[in-house]
Amino acid sequence: RKEVEQDPGPFNVPEGATVAFNCTYSNSASQSFFWYRQDCRKEPKLLMSVYSSGNEDGRFTAQLNRASQYISLLIRDSKLSDSATYLCVVNPPWSNQFYFGTGTSLTVIP
Amino acid sequence: NAGVTQTPKFQVLKTGQSMTLQCAQDMNHEYMSWYRQDPGMGLRLIHYSVGAGITDQGEVPNGYNVSRSTTEDFPLRLLSAAPSQTSVYFCASSYSSRWDSGYGYTFGSGTRLTVV
Repeated sequence: RKEVEQDPGPFNVPEGATVAFNCTYSNSASQSFFWYRQDCRKEPKLLMSVYSSGNEDGRFTAQLNRASQYISLLIRDSKLSDSATYLCVVNPPWSNQFYFGTGTSLTVIP
Repeated sequence: NAGVTQTPKFQVLKTGQSMTLQCAQDMNHEYMSWYRQDPGMGLRLIHYSVGAGITDQGEVPNGYNVSRSTTEDFPLRLLSAAPSQTSVYFCASSYSSRWDSGYGYTFGSGTRLTVV
């Protein structure tokens, strides 16, 4: 079983729309979660850490659902510049390894 | 700060050749790692290091060697290149790899390797 799984999409949404991605993780004791953004042919860049209480950064909201073992990323008022692949990352307990999902592709359409 | 610097950015190798991908960070991060990224496979961990002198294998270590003689540098060596090693390679570092630290990764800009 993979440590982390996410829907690859693609998600094609119009400008101004709200879009949400989910990512499930297999180890219920995991504590550290992140969302990364990767533009085409570029390196992944840290978008947000995901805290137990949830966190918000402008139009972006990340949440953790421990009962169902998933993390989510909500993007409100989508911009063309939000088009990218979004990667979820889990650092399982007692592990030195970060596990990446395969990424969800988002295209925001004018 | 330069962050994480990877060289070269592009490389073409012939089957059987060896080479070293360089990675250096200037953030005093204790944790460094190498990933490869292939279409549909996501990022897969090759090797990682939790500090100078300490390395360990990740998910796909075969065909690769690493060493960590200093905190700053973490080179990846391809011993005998094969077409299956054609990929994009990313070096990444973090202040801490502790599972409860909450620190994420900083990535280098990647090396696009083609083995013919």
